[in-house]
Amino acid sequence: GDSVTQMEGPVTLSEEAFLTINCTYTATGYPSLFWYVQYPGEGLQLLLKATKADDKGSNKGFEATYRKETTSFHLEKGSVQVSDSAVYFCALRFQTGNQFYFGTGTSLTVIP
Amino acid sequence: GAGVSQSPSNKVTEKGKDVELRCDPISGHTALYWYRQRLGQGLEFLIYFQGNSAPDKSGLPSDRFSAERTGESVSTLTIQRTQQEDSAVYLCASSPRTSGIWETQYFGPGTRLLVL
Repeated sequence: GDSVTQMEGPVTLSEEAFLTINCTYTATGYPSLFWYVQYPGEGLQLLLKATKADDKGSNKGFEATYRKETTSFHLEKGSVQVSDSAVYFCALRFQTGNQFYFGTGTSLTVIP
Repeated sequence: GAGVSQSPSNKVTEKGKDVELRCDPISGHTALYWYRQRLGQGLEFLIYFQGNSAPDKSGLPSDRFSAERTGESVSTLTIQRTQQEDSAVYLCASSPRTSGIWETQYFGPGTRLLVL
């Protein structure tokens, strides 16, 4: 079935380090791909998205490229900040249907 | 403006009791989703409401689970005869419209349910 697999955490980085959180998916069609972020004490919010192969989503210095050949949507940031500490969720959704498929979430802690 | 709110934030109940969880979506959002997140797992879709259309209940895990929504307002998720495996965080999300792949969901903070 359709699913999303995320890199397990927790991840701890020093400030200004490079971040990669891996996400791969299994899908029978051509989904849209999303990254959501949950900051401490807050609800999930959309970070970025990509709707077709080779699209790059970007927001707040984060980027992810829709790679159809490797069925991946890895999240990257060149220089993390303490304020990036949060839980990050990868998700997919098809153009038809109402369901989102979420990964298990990856907790990131950035230390000064 | 106000975001999606959920109540209660925490609920502890005894096995076999019924519980009711509430979600207040953002005003004007026609779409509303319920999810369940068990410890260490991803979000599990439960049910989807879109305006006055029949809800998509395909994610409800058993007939002990039900949800209602009147128009485009508050939604309640009811779990009857709770079991320990129902312990989870229940998340609600709303969206301003269904526009296919462009839909952005706005999530509430969740209700943490513990069944003893």
